[in-house]
Amino acid sequence: NAGVTQTPKFQVLKTGQSMTLQCAQDMNHNSMYWYRQDPGMGLRLIYYSASEGTTDKGEVPNGYNVSRLNKREFSLRLESAAPSQTSVYFCASIRDSYTYEQYFGPGTRLTVT
Amino acid sequence: KNEVEQSPQNLTAQEGEFITINCSYSVGISALHWLQQHPGGGIVSLFMLSSGKKKHGRLIATINIQEKHSSLHITASHPRDSAVYICAVYPMEYGNKLVFGAGTILRVKS
Repeated sequence: NAGVTQTPKFQVLKTGQSMTLQCAQDMNHNSMYWYRQDPGMGLRLIYYSASEGTTDKGEVPNGYNVSRLNKREFSLRLESAAPSQTSVYFCASIRDSYTYEQYFGPGTRLTVT
Repeated sequence: KNEVEQSPQNLTAQEGEFITINCSYSVGISALHWLQQHPGGGIVSLFMLSSGKKKHGRLIATINIQEKHSSLHITASHPRDSAVYICAVYPMEYGNKLVFGAGTILRVKS
């Protein structure tokens, strides 16, 4: 049982390049989340998916798109990377509305030059 | 004003000391989460609370729903407790979305 996995762990992009961050969970959880973490700020929600086939914007969605491919996988895409998107990105999941406990992936450290 | 405020922002303690980290929030919540993040590391769930008190080893978390306040206590602190401790809440109006505090950086010296 791997929990929540993320790939890649590290990535450097040039401004304007695109990439997709991958997230998968093997706990049969319904809801999945993408966050970004910046120095001096709390984690901020980019997008979340309450269940397979649904996605919704969070606090900071601009510049990102997501895809809930199936119940296991939730990907985050940067179409045209900007230096302001330099951050650490975390994926998380919860089983359902009653358990609430979030399980986090190990994070992806992204630098945009 | 952030919906979740933590204090202190930074805390340095000597090994063995009793440590308290506070979290105040301004909205009605369904539950509160305490999380731990080691330097360069991932984020681990310590506690989920909706009322009362929970204990796990040397860690104790309490919540007072009426006062909109939670505390995380560490007894007999150890250098391995050095980490960032994050409080996060599920506001009732947001459903399953967490709102995070900025975190408390704890350093325990031996």
